[in-house]
Amino acid sequence: NAGVTQTPKFQVLKTGQSMTLQCAQDMNHNSMYWYRQDPGMGLRLIYYSASEGTTDKGEVPNGYNVSRLNKREFSLRLESAAPSQTSVYFCASSEAFPDPPNNEQFFGPGTRLTVL
Amino acid sequence: GENVEQHPSTLSVQEGDSAVIKCTYSDSASNYFPWYKQELGKRPQLIIDIRSNVGEKKDQRIAVTLNKTAKHFSLHITETQPEDSAVYFCAAKDTGNTGKLIFGQGTTLQVKP
Repeated sequence: NAGVTQTPKFQVLKTGQSMTLQCAQDMNHNSMYWYRQDPGMGLRLIYYSASEGTTDKGEVPNGYNVSRLNKREFSLRLESAAPSQTSVYFCASSEAFPDPPNNEQFFGPGTRLTVL
Repeated sequence: GENVEQHPSTLSVQEGDSAVIKCTYSDSASNYFPWYKQELGKRPQLIIDIRSNVGEKKDQRIAVTLNKTAKHFSLHITETQPEDSAVYFCAAKDTGNTGKLIFGQGTTLQVKP
């Protein structure tokens, strides 16, 4: 099993450009999440999808959109990138329903994004 | 919603000493509390977790304790080694069936040889 995979690993954008970060999991998990990680700020939730067909805002959703393409895939889109979106982005997945014994979230390797 | 505070933000210990990281949470209905370790440039990985019906859990040199009344939980690492140097995050699961975790700010642990 590959677990959680993300593409690309690195990306440099100019202000105003758009891009989509891809995430896929092969653990048959119901729930998927997108986080951003900035120095000293911990892991902040951008959007999540509790199950296929649903998405909800997290703590810092402004400037982002998401799509839960199917049970395996959850993408994050930046429509018009800004320097404030320079960060490391992590995708994660977990088996969240109906409150299983193991609520572990499994993380992907991350995408390092720089917006100039 | 849930809020998690983590202290200290940095911790430096000598190899062989113990390290303790503490977290408090706000929602008394939270029932799952994981700890993640993140090495430099890597993804966060679960090292230990505890559910609300248990007061303490151990796994070799690491242990987690939970005090539901005070709404705080702690990570204890004994006999620290240089490879324990990393950033550690605590988290509390949000109530409901989304699986959302609310993370603390992180603690950078440095173990000096």
